[in-house]
Amino acid sequence: QKEVEQDPGPLSVPEGAIVSLNCTYSNSAFQYFMWYRQYSRKGPELLMYTYSSGNKEDGRFTAQVDKSSKYISLFIRDSQPSDSATYLCAMTRTGGFKTIFGAGTRLFVKA
Amino acid sequence: GAGVSQSPRYKVAKRGQDVALRCDPISGHVSLFWYQQALGQGPEFLTYFQNEAQLDKSGLPSDRFFAERPEGSVSTLKIQRTQQEDSAVYLCASSPPTKDEQYFGPGTRLTVT
Repeated sequence: QKEVEQDPGPLSVPEGAIVSLNCTYSNSAFQYFMWYRQYSRKGPELLMYTYSSGNKEDGRFTAQVDKSSKYISLFIRDSQPSDSATYLCAMTRTGGFKTIFGAGTRLFVKA
Repeated sequence: GAGVSQSPRYKVAKRGQDVALRCDPISGHVSLFWYQQALGQGPEFLTYFQNEAQLDKSGLPSDRFFAERPEGSVSTLKIQRTQQEDSAVYLCASSPPTKDEQYFGPGTRLTVT
């Protein structure tokens, strides 16, 4: 079993929809949780960064962390065609160097 | 300012050849990471530097892989005697002091034929 599980999709939604992306993990030592967006043939770009449990909002993006369930989510409101990309969850332990990534979910937002 | 840059962007190597991949991190970034990303997968950690010190190389898949950062800025990932399974995108990322956020370069796509 992988340390971080993420549904690879693809997920296809109409423009304006609310998108929900999720990851589960098995290592309770993870404390830092990130979401990256990766366009084709580009490097990942950091979208959201949260520490421990709770919610964080930035514009159309909301990240949620539920450590008791070992479950993290990214919500995208009013999705746009430009949001079409692969979304990667990632996490690290306190004091750790190694970041563990999920496999990524491919999202398509149709105009 | 300039982001993380990597060169070459694309590299084709015949099986058995040695390759060297370069990473120029963001100026002032102390931490530098190398990742390997296979098609359809997330990045997998290879190694980590803090300045010139290689603090974690547990992700390097074999002793054919070697990374260095001799002056604490530019880093090189070297793969000796390349094999087909080494075909992947190699990503470099850097982080500023006291922050954990990583900033990624565009990657080097390595194809071993």
